[in-house]
Amino acid sequence: AAGVIQSPRHLIKEKRETATLKCYPIPRHDTVYWYQQGPGQDPQFLISFYEKMQSDKGSIPDRFSAQQFSDYHSELNMSSLELGDSALYFCASSSRVRGENQPQHFGDGTRLSIL
Amino acid sequence: EDQVTQSPEALRLQEGESSSLNCSYTVSGLRGLFWYRQDPGKGPEFLFTLYSAGEEKEKERLKATLTKKESFLHITAPKPEDSATYLCVTQGGSEKLVFGKGTKLTVNP
Repeated sequence: AAGVIQSPRHLIKEKRETATLKCYPIPRHDTVYWYQQGPGQDPQFLISFYEKMQSDKGSIPDRFSAQQFSDYHSELNMSSLELGDSALYFCASSSRVRGENQPQHFGDGTRLSIL
Repeated sequence: EDQVTQSPEALRLQEGESSSLNCSYTVSGLRGLFWYRQDPGKGPEFLFTLYSAGEEKEKERLKATLTKKESFLHITAPKPEDSATYLCVTQGGSEKLVFGKGTKLTVNP
């Protein structure tokens, strides 16, 4: 079965540079979520989109922005990168079905390293 | 504040030695409790969803159960390939997931 696809898998940047992470959800999934996971930490929710509109916001820095496009893929744009932004960034997707919470399915993440 | 506590933090088993992982939670208006498996450098892989107390789900050597305060992931006759970190995750009144810290399971041959 098709899974959530994230690109790139690995990304190395220097401080103050910008980065764009991409996420392609499972087909027919209408909701996308972004998470940041530091070493030995559980994933921290950043932001989510439903039907191309922002649906919830977590601990996303002002330097970051995200959007969901008409084909449901999403991009996380990160500017003025700092050393502390080094982490594994996960995208997850789900579909909204009335009356039941559908699980989020995760991609394998983008490992971002800031030098 | 919603909280999820998993125990033990780490568990070592011999192949074939059955055991259980515990997840205690306090969530306002539980809408779902999810179990995921995560391998190093990979994303969490969905295993089960439990919606209400008394519910049970099974998949191969894994069985998940739910009460009003806890969930258990029972592993029967584990194999080395079951080695991974198992995450318990809840979803309450909002869409946000609350993650436990995970139980790192190692199954020795």
